[in-house]
Amino acid sequence: GAVVSQHPSRVICKSGTSVKIECRSLDFQATTMFWYRQFPKQSLMLMATSNEGSKATYEQGVEKDKFLINHASLTLSTLTVTSAHPEDSSFYICSANAGGNEQFFGPGTRLTVL
Amino acid sequence: AQSVTQPDIHITVSEGASLELRCNYSYGATPYLFWYVQSPGQGLQLLLKYFSGDTLVQGIKGFEAEFKRSQSSFNLRKPSVHWSDAAEYFCAVGGGNFNKFYFGSGTKLNVKP
Repeated sequence: GAVVSQHPSRVICKSGTSVKIECRSLDFQATTMFWYRQFPKQSLMLMATSNEGSKATYEQGVEKDKFLINHASLTLSTLTVTSAHPEDSSFYICSANAGGNEQFFGPGTRLTVL
Repeated sequence: AQSVTQPDIHITVSEGASLELRCNYSYGATPYLFWYVQSPGQGLQLLLKYFSGDTLVQGIKGFEAEFKRSQSSFNLRKPSVHWSDAAEYFCAVGGGNFNKFYFGSGTKLNVKP
């Protein structure tokens, strides 16, 4: 149980385009979903917290207009990187919380912006 | 402010030797503590977690960790390391409103044959 999927697993895009990453909780309803970014050889940095049906809460320094988060249902959250640039290239990981003390992590999405 | 410190960036141990990875945290509320392992290009795998109760917790793959409130520590241990344990290990603390997680910077474990 408690499986979280991400799609796509890898994406390469041109600079200036937008990329959407999906995060789904497959066998539970996620009251809260989280988005993290991980640069090479670094730790996971929390970008934002999203609750179903409400606006996401962004961490300090994360541009909400650049990283659009939509949490349309209890099993789906999306992260859209708008007007992507090479410095946005990173590993993006989502997690989901079912109301308890634990987060269940997705396998990650490798974004490369050319 | 909430933070997690993993003082060792890299650790190299010989196969069969014991291992201890350090983790110290700063958290304003009751902490929920976690250890994750990550192989290159992969997501996180939960090794073990501590919420309350017995301060020595057992996890998967023969790992254990001990919560020491007085030292604000949650060190990960394994009595005998296997070559397949080579990976990056992250300590995390969560809890409070929205159950946000804060991760340490990670410790990369190398295992010598």
